[in-house]
Amino acid sequence: NAGVTQTPKFQVLKTGQSMTLQCAQDMNHEYMSWYRQDPGMGLRLIHYSVGAGITDQGEVPNGYNVSRSTTEDFPLRLLSAAPSQTSVYFCASSYSARMNTEAFFGQGTRLTVV
Amino acid sequence: AQSVTQLDSQVPVFEEAPVELRCNYSSSVSVYLFWYVQYPNQGLQLLLKYLSGSTLVKGINGFEAEFNKSQTSFHLRKPSVHISDTAEYFCAVRVLESGYNKLIFGAGTRLAVHP
Repeated sequence: NAGVTQTPKFQVLKTGQSMTLQCAQDMNHEYMSWYRQDPGMGLRLIHYSVGAGITDQGEVPNGYNVSRSTTEDFPLRLLSAAPSQTSVYFCASSYSARMNTEAFFGQGTRLTVV
Repeated sequence: AQSVTQLDSQVPVFEEAPVELRCNYSSSVSVYLFWYVQYPNQGLQLLLKYLSGSTLVKGINGFEAEFNKSQTSFHLRKPSVHISDTAEYFCAVRVLESGYNKLIFGAGTRLAVHP
């Protein structure tokens, strides 16, 4: 039961560097999303996708890009990392974007930008 | 805009004592509510959900929550906590925007169970 897999688990970046956080799910879920978790702020939606080839912005999209070329994968790209992007990032997926189905979360990626 | 307010950022409690974690939401439309639990260094796990029907919802690990429409609340309760319940708990509301569902989270409540 792989579920939602995120890699890497930990990452340290220098300001200005770029990187991609990987997210893959093996449940054939239609809906995938990225959240960032910061102390006292809960989880905030960065980007989401309702199917292959379809993405849209969430609450805090600036500084991040996404793409969804396959149903399984939904990578999150940081184009030029900034200290304000130090956070824990969670990928989630659910069966349907329109029905009320359970969201499954990955284990998270802890990112530090120095 | 939809929002979720968790009234307590931290709740300390002794083992075997009852606990209530409070959650209020703002929504003018049909409401679908969730509680998630996050154990240290792990992802989020669904504890329970309210979609419709009975306002008292039972979840895993002995937790339950009551949906109160008039008070726009969805408080989480457990009659007797264990050390292993130490975790962060998130209340969330699912909203429909542009035809798609989105989860809006509260800031979280850190439950610390002491022996």
